Amino acid sequence: SQTIHQWPATLVQPVGSPLSLECTVEGTSNPNLYWYRQAAGRGLQLLFYSVGIGQISSEVPQNLSASRPQDRQFILSSKKLLLSDSGFYLCAWTYGSGAGETQYFGPGTRLLVL
Amino acid sequence: KQEVTQIPAALSVPEGENLVLNCSFTDSAIYNLQWFRQDPGKGLTSLLLIQSSQREQTSGRLNASLDKSSGRSTLYIAASQPGDSATYLCAVGAGSYQLTFGKGTKLSVIP
Repeated sequence: SQTIHQWPATLVQPVGSPLSLECTVEGTSNPNLYWYRQAAGRGLQLLFYSVGIGQISSEVPQNLSASRPQDRQFILSSKKLLLSDSGFYLCAWTYGSGAGETQYFGPGTRLLVL
Repeated sequence: KQEVTQIPAALSVPEGENLVLNCSFTDSAIYNLQWFRQDPGKGLTSLLLIQSSQREQTSGRLNASLDKSSGRSTLYIAASQPGDSATYLCAVGAGSYQLTFGKGTKLSVIP
């Protein structure tokens, strides 16, 4: 069976510090991978998606970046965090083309920027 | 731009009651519609996926319907239980990879 892991579970960082969140998927190969952010009072917002190693698409302009160094690893990064980066970050994956497929979500990372 | 709205934002019902959660979307050119459940501080769990060619899907006490032409979906929960308490999110798939989410309905089932 497939599982998706995210770490850390919780993170408190000062403004201006760097960020690295990691997501890994087990039990499948060549998944499509996604990073979402869920801010208080707002819906989930798609930040990045990837259909393969080294292939990243960005949905919204921001100071965050994503990388996919391995087939089942997806990393969300920032060089300098802003207060507005606080939120709940969720990683997700789908099979195949992604269109018409169920998205499976990880447990999330709660980020608080102070 | 696709917009997804869920009404009500919160709902409280006594245990055993049947209930309906509503989701509406502005652009009917969709691939699918998904319903998710989110417990506090947790990730999302997929409940039901309805493809654009389908009218409804059922899983246990849950039934989801889709009316593409009117831009609406409903999630019906039969015989609600306290364990059903959670936030329910509707998401529309339109385009190859993107899901557009509503803000959710927070359900509380009172014992």
